[in-house]
Amino acid sequence: DAGVTQSPTHLIKTRGQQVTLRCSPKSGHDTVSWYQQALGQGPQFIFQYYEEEERQRGNFPDRFSGHQFPNYSSELNVNALLLGDSALYLCASSPPGQGTYEQYFGPGTRLTVT
Amino acid sequence: QKEVEQDPGPLSVPEGAIVSLNCTYSNSAFQYFMWYRQYSRKGPELLMYTYSSGNKEDGRFTAQVDKSSKYISLFIRDSQPSDSATYLCAMKGYSGAGSYQLTFGKGTKLSVIP
Repeated sequence: DAGVTQSPTHLIKTRGQQVTLRCSPKSGHDTVSWYQQALGQGPQFIFQYYEEEERQRGNFPDRFSGHQFPNYSSELNVNALLLGDSALYLCASSPPGQGTYEQYFGPGTRLTVT
Repeated sequence: QKEVEQDPGPLSVPEGAIVSLNCTYSNSAFQYFMWYRQYSRKGPELLMYTYSSGNKEDGRFTAQVDKSSKYISLFIRDSQPSDSATYLCAMKGYSGAGSYQLTFGKGTKLSVIP
C-alpha cells in the first residue's frame, strides 16, 4: 500500500501566479482533506472533499479551491498567489465510516512563492 | 485565546527518559483527540487517538485525556533518539460545523540525546 501520495514535492512560483497540487488517497479511503502548514506552526484546515463535493471549509479565501475526482483523488488550486501562501500543503485521507477523525497524511508539497 | 494551546519547546531529554507532552483546549465540542509525530520535512504520522477521558496505552506511548480540565497529554517511556521529532496534538468535534476538520496545536519539538 503506497499510502497517501502528493505531487509535486516542491514548487516555486511567482506572486500572482496560479498553482495546482495533487493528492492520491490511501487505498480504500474516500475522503480527502487539505491543510496548510506554515513554518513552525501546526496544520490549518483548508477544506474537505467527500463524494466529489466540498463538505467543509476552513477560514481560507476563495482563491483556494479544490476538486475531487471519481477515483477519490483530489486537487488543490490556489489563484493569485501571495508571498504568505508559502507553506507545506498537506493532504490527508480518511477511510469510510470513520467519522474522519482517523486522518492519514501524505508527505506534503512545499510551495515557495517569490 | 487559541482553541488549542501547545508549548512549542524545544524540549531536550536524555535517552531513556520519560517524556511528557501536553495540550490544553478551550472548545468543549472537541470529543476526539489525536497525537501525530512529524519528522523534519515529512507529513504528520498518526500515533494515537482516543475519544474518552482516561488513559490509552500503545507500546511506549500513553495518551491521557482529562475532558473536565480540557487537558491532554502524551507520555513516551524509554525515549529513543529516533523519537526526536515534532509532536502535534489534534482534536475534532463530534457533530456540527466543525466536526470534519482537525484542529492542531503548534507542535512541540523534541530532541532525545544519546
